[in-house]
Amino acid sequence: NAGVTQTPKFQVLKTGQSMTLQCAQDMNHEYMSWYRQDPGMGLRLIHYSVGAGITDQGEVPNGYNVSRSTTEDFPLRLLSAAPSQTSVYFCASRGGYNEQFFGPGTRLTVL
Amino acid sequence: AQSVTQLGSHVSVSEGALVLLRCNYSSSVPPYLFWYVQYPNQGLQLLLKYTSAATLVKGINGFEAEFKKSETSFHLTKPSAHMSDAAEYFCAVKGGGGADGLTFGKGTHLIIQP
Repeated sequence: NAGVTQTPKFQVLKTGQSMTLQCAQDMNHEYMSWYRQDPGMGLRLIHYSVGAGITDQGEVPNGYNVSRSTTEDFPLRLLSAAPSQTSVYFCASRGGYNEQFFGPGTRLTVL
Repeated sequence: AQSVTQLGSHVSVSEGALVLLRCNYSSSVPPYLFWYVQYPNQGLQLLLKYTSAATLVKGINGFEAEFKKSETSFHLTKPSAHMSDAAEYFCAVKGGGGADGLTFGKGTHLIIQP
């Protein structure tokens, strides 16, 4: 049981490049979400999904795209990276009592 | 809508001293409350959660928190700090059911002095 896994762990992009951050969970959780963590800001919700085929926006969705084709996977896409998207990204899945399980994070730098 | 305020971005205590990290929340519905810990360059690990059962919640690593509705607080405590407790601590709230995610405080960096 691996829990929530994320790849890559580190990524450097140039402004305007695109990339996909991968997230997978093996706990059969319906709810999954993406957060970004910035110094002094805590974690902020980007997008979430309540099940395959259903996604919705969180607090800071601009510049990000998501899809949910399977229960296990919830990738986050940056279509045209900007320096403001330099951050640490965490994927989470939610079990009972709204407890969220977090992945190890992806540290993204946009130059 | 809900919000979380963590008082003190940095808290420094001596090893063996009491740890107190403050969290106040606002929520329009009975909340679920959480404390997470983040060690350097790692993800978030759940310390404890309040789910409307007992108001005093015990978590891992000797931490506990008390839900006080009248004060809208959920402060985290540990009787005796260890060097290994040095980390970033986040309080988070979720307002009842629904599909929205957690709302996090900005975090408190706990420093343990030898």
